[in-house]
Amino acid sequence: QSALAQPASVSGSPGQSITISCTGTSSDVGAYNFVSWYQQHPGKAPKLMIFDVNKRPSGVSSRFSGSKSGNTASLTISGLQADDEADYYCNSYTVNSTPVVFGGGTKLTVL
Amino acid sequence: EVQLLESGGGLVQPGGSLRLSCAASGFTFSTYAMTWVRQVPGKGLEWVSGIGGSGGSTYYADSVKGRFTISRDNSKNTLYLQMNSLRAEDTALYYCAKYPTVVIRGQYYFDSWGQGTLVTVSS
Repeated sequence: QSALAQPASVSGSPGQSITISCTGTSSDVGAYNFVSWYQQHPGKAPKLMIFDVNKRPSGVSSRFSGSKSGNTASLTISGLQADDEADYYCNSYTVNSTPVVFGGGTKLTVL
Repeated sequence: EVQLLESGGGLVQPGGSLRLSCAASGFTFSTYAMTWVRQVPGKGLEWVSGIGGSGGSTYYADSVKGRFTISRDNSKNTLYLQMNSLRAEDTALYYCAKYPTVVIRGQYYFDSWGQGTLVTVSS
């Protein structure tokens, strides 16, 4: 099963906003509002940042927001900070035999 | 505070077996579904397997179906992954993670993760 498509890398300067896309199909991203996003710093475990497209777990900064249009979901980080530099992964529920699929990951560099 | 501590990783020859464990604490283990997710170092995440809170429902990625078995012992607050017929492509860091609900059907995201245990399949 193919992973969801994410850009390999994005970058931005402190204080700016960036958006990471996550493109799937009508069998996953487009099927339901079941998309989540994880942040992973080097050598660390993934951390849930967004679930159900646009909901934030307790403790996650409001600078992180999510959206979806058709088969593409997006993560927006506003007011970029140095600590936001990490890898970001999207994931989605799927109607296929494997119920969960991840994106390939996007490396965010804060310039 | 939720804590998930994986163990059991190591070096194994192709065709060999390994059993991973994940000790859970800080929450009522039996009331949450659990999962294993793996990551080849430097690469992306891949969902491997999931199990409902009671242990009655299990799901597997096509890549491991028939070779891996997920199980849990709710009396010991421990999740397991029995891996048989291991292949080089199974080499990865294996994470234990927690679903937000007791059931797996219709669920897809994980709200707590362990630090992972490394499995290396090589001769």
